[in-house]
Amino acid sequence: AQSVTQPDIHITVSEGASLELRCNYSYGATPYLFWYVQSPGQGLQLLLKYFSGDTLVQGIKGFEAEFKRSQSSFNLRKPSVHWSDAAEYFCAVGLSNQAGTALIFGKGTTLSVSS
Amino acid sequence: GAGVSQSPSNKVTEKGKDVELRCDPISGHTALYWYRQSLGQGLEFLIYFQGNSAPDKSGLPSDRFSAERTGGSVSTLTIQRTQQEDSAVYLCASSLGGGVGTQYFGPGTRLLVL
Repeated sequence: AQSVTQPDIHITVSEGASLELRCNYSYGATPYLFWYVQSPGQGLQLLLKYFSGDTLVQGIKGFEAEFKRSQSSFNLRKPSVHWSDAAEYFCAVGLSNQAGTALIFGKGTTLSVSS
Repeated sequence: GAGVSQSPSNKVTEKGKDVELRCDPISGHTALYWYRQSLGQGLEFLIYFQGNSAPDKSGLPSDRFSAERTGGSVSTLTIQRTQQEDSAVYLCASSLGGGVGTQYFGPGTRLLVL
């Protein structure tokens, strides 16, 4: 069955330091991959997505992610974290047909930013 | 423009009662999704609608859950005979088309079953 694993439940990073959030997926075909962010009291917002082509994808707010098929991974990175990046981050794989795409989410990683 | 809206924002009900949750998608979006976010299960897909196609109900946890979409726009998720384990935040999302269109999420309805 399709699944998404985010191994880190909670990460704390100093402001200005680099960030990497891990995501591993289990899916039989080429996956559609997504990262969403959920800030306190806010809805889920799409950071970036990978469908095909260049395995390094750029997103909003300075985030990027790299698809590595050999490792079944889609890790999210940011070179310099800002305090406003504190939020919960969800990796998802899309189960798609022509009608739509059901997103299968990981359990999420909570990011805290220390000053 | 206006995003996805959901009502009510909070709902408290007693075990055994029926509840209806409403979602207004972004105007012009043909695909509409329902998800559930709970502490124990995380974010789970429930159901989606795309145009006039039959909905994909594969994520509905039991036959107490149903959803409809009237006129290709507003959707209502109904939970009959609510149980305490139904307590969660119910999220709605819409996308411009089917396939892998970006899903835009609403703020959710927080349901508490006492």
